[in-house]
Amino acid sequence: GAGVSQTPSNKVTEKGKYVELRCDPISGHTALYWYRQSLGQGPEFLIYFQGTGAADDSGLPNDRFFAVRPEGSVSTLKIQRTERGDSAVYLCAVDNPNTEAFFGQGTRLTVV
Amino acid sequence: AQSVTQLGSHVSVSEGALVLLRCNYSSSVPPYLFWYVQYPNQGLQLLLKYTSAATLVKGINGFEAEFKKSETSFHLTKPSAHMSDATEYFCAVSVGGSNYKLTFGKGTLLTVNP
Repeated sequence: GAGVSQTPSNKVTEKGKYVELRCDPISGHTALYWYRQSLGQGPEFLIYFQGTGAADDSGLPNDRFFAVRPEGSVSTLKIQRTERGDSAVYLCAVDNPNTEAFFGQGTRLTVV
Repeated sequence: AQSVTQLGSHVSVSEGALVLLRCNYSSSVPPYLFWYVQYPNQGLQLLLKYTSAATLVKGINGFEAEFKKSETSFHLTKPSAHMSDATEYFCAVSVGGSNYKLTFGKGTLLTVNP
């Protein structure tokens, strides 16, 4: 999507390792969302930021998952002690009020 | 909690034929409804959205969808399929605001035969 850059595009990691996935809005956006899309499924909501704060983290599956957005722009999704079940495409989306959400191309995470 | 059911994980049509992708939703409050398209290795792109205004919503690339409250449906249609329409389509519902906390269906893969 034109509004969001996600890095890396692909990440392969070993089970038990720590990973960080980055979402970089190209221009200023108030709201930022993380979704996870498993193979053959639709995206599932993980967490929503309004500015710097996590307004809703109810979609994070467990305490191994954490996300930050310290300056209200770039966000990092952090996964500790990765498991094979964490393998998925992690999508970031941004928007401003009353505009459509721009989704990034995603980071494909593979845990081996 | 809201949910979305997309009927048919795979729909196949001939080029020039009508496209009909089915979506039913469940929501305890008036919903916002969306259709997204996802091309391989690309982000989700919004086709159209319903936000309680007109029940017939027109989107990009000739697609439209009709909100039917009595049937809890939001089916996506296009009068004439084009080869470039072949990809994955997702229906989504939100009750917390226009883009907030979308709940997606499992998707429907559209193939277009020449």
